[in-house]
Amino acid sequence: QQQVKQSPQSLIVQKGGIPIINCAYENTAFDYFPWYQQFPGKGPALLIAIRPDVSEKKEGRFTISFNKSAKQFSLHIMDSQPGDSATYFCAASEGPSSKIIFGSGTRLSIRP
Amino acid sequence: DAGVTQSPTHLIKTRGQHVTLRCSPISGHKSVSWYQQVLGQGPQFIFQYYEKEERGRGNFPDRFSARQFPNYSSELNVNALLLGDSALYLCASNLDWVNTEAFFGQGTRLTVV
Repeated sequence: QQQVKQSPQSLIVQKGGIPIINCAYENTAFDYFPWYQQFPGKGPALLIAIRPDVSEKKEGRFTISFNKSAKQFSLHIMDSQPGDSATYFCAASEGPSSKIIFGSGTRLSIRP
Repeated sequence: DAGVTQSPTHLIKTRGQHVTLRCSPISGHKSVSWYQQVLGQGPQFIFQYYEKEERGRGNFPDRFSARQFPNYSSELNVNALLLGDSALYLCASNLDWVNTEAFFGQGTRLTVV
């Protein structure tokens, strides 16, 4: 059972473009939605996170849009750079627990 | 300032053997979680420990076990290794067991042959 569904599986964008990665969840008890960035050979690193009482959050070039009624959230990367090429994971967790449920990942490639 | 450290970085084991992976959390963090990441997939939750007690367990067989020591470091043990156990094993450190920011180590790449 995949509790967090992520799409697309892979994405190629030209430098300066705005890649968008989408996620959907089923469990309405989820109350914390982080996005992680992972480079080859490294562990995931937290990029940005949002709680369901907020519809949008921006940190630098990264923006999360959150639609609680549709149970969907997305990551936008503004002014994308080749250094943003990595695998991105959306995730969710529930209540007083650090257990994180990850999506399947999106391999992003930014072309110069 | 040290982040989450895991050892060893790479490991090759034979089917049926036992393996122990180690993790040291960020200084001051009391919660450690373990995840398994199979190539091409997202990490899957295995265990969470807080103050030396198990606080959560994922859908993994009893061959997987873990413990946390008084200094908050942790070990993940896997018995009777199967080829399917080949994966990147990640340790995450949290300040406490509530859903605060998780910091991941670089992982241990386990290959079972």
